[in-house]
Formats: sequence, structure tokens, C-alpha cells
Amino acid sequence: NAGVTQTPKFQVLKTGQSMTLQCAQDMNHEYMSWYRQDPGMGLRLIHYSVGAGITDQGEVPNGYNVSRSTTEDFPLRLLSAAPSQTSVYFCASSPTGHPNYGYTFGSGTRLTVV
Amino acid sequence: GQQLNQSPQSMFIQEGEDVSMNCTSSSIFNTWLWYKQDPGEGPVLLIALYKAGELTSNGRLTAQFGITRKDSFLNISASIPSDVGIYFCAGTTGNQFYFGTGTSLTVIP
Repeated sequence: NAGVTQTPKFQVLKTGQSMTLQCAQDMNHEYMSWYRQDPGMGLRLIHYSVGAGITDQGEVPNGYNVSRSTTEDFPLRLLSAAPSQTSVYFCASSPTGHPNYGYTFGSGTRLTVV
Repeated sequence: GQQLNQSPQSMFIQEGEDVSMNCTSSSIFNTWLWYKQDPGEGPVLLIALYKAGELTSNGRLTAQFGITRKDSFLNISASIPSDVGIYFCAGTTGNQFYFGTGTSLTVIP
């Protein structure tokens, strides 16, 4: 099925470990982004990309790195996990950089850092 | 930072009842969007509104772009159990895009 695919669905990390959350879309969307969702905080933008080779920071970028080597993939890297990064992470994509026409979201990665 | 205030935070209603929720901002918004998030899934776009005063329906859902451009409303008529989930408003102001904090809806059969 066409859409945004996130892996893994669940992950437990120890403090200080690193990992990469994967995101892939098969809709040829130029715009991709990562959000984290915390109780009472809504969705907060971590990083986004308007096309291959172009990335920029969102509202809460600290502790996360991204790269966009292809149109399809937009991985999110945690270099040294901290308990404050326990959250549900969503990847989203859109045909253009303008969100007026809505985003397509993945089903999320639930990350726990102990 | 966050500019959208969404209310109520949660609702518990009987099946068949109508539901109303709203979103307000301190800034003028150019677009209002409403998403629904089912448990364990990502948000899915329900309705998009592009101009002040616009009223748009999607089945039992109706949303309005407030005339002041600082608010939006979502109504669900004759609720059913599958309406359960979290409803998010979102919008654009200038080049920025924001999500509300969500309204959690529980429908009691």
C-alpha cells in the first residue's frame, strides 16, 4: 500500500545508546518531516526536509540528526539517547513544502529510553 | 512555539450524541486543518479549510474556518463508537505550521 512506512514500531533503549528510526514513502513526496508526540504537548516538529539533500531544524531538534540522500527515505538518528527522548515519533510527508494540503503520517515509533 | 489552544482536552459522550470542539489562536491563520488519530496510529487528515467563513463537511463531520481567522470548529453529528480517538487541529500562519494539543474523544455505547 502506498504511504509512509516507519520502522521499528516499538523500541527500548538504554541511556546513551544510539539508534536510527527509519522512514520511507513511496508517493514521490518532496517534503518529509519528523514529529514527536508527548502527552499534553501535541505534535512538535523535530526536523524537516524539502527535498533530497536539504534538511532543516524544527521546534525541538536537539539530540537528533537527519539526512535526506534520496526522495524516499528520511531517517532520524538519536546519537546518545536520553530519558527525555521517550516519546512517540511520527514521520510525515507532503507533495510540496507547503502544509496547506495536509500531511500523510506514518503509524509511529514508540520509543522508551531507560 | 505552540500557538494553538484546543478545547476541550477530553470528552466522554454517549453514542448518538453530537460533538463540538474548537481551536483558537492568538495569530491570524491562513489555513485550518483537522486530523484524527486512532489509537496506535498516525493522524489522518479529515478536513482542510482555506478561507475565512468556509464551512466544509466530510460525512458526519463539519468544520468551519472562523470569520476572524483566529479560530476553527469541528462538529461530529450522531457519534458512533468508531469516532473514538484524538482530534487535532492544525494550521498555518505565515510560513509556520502548528498542531493543537488534541481533544480526546470517548464514545460510550
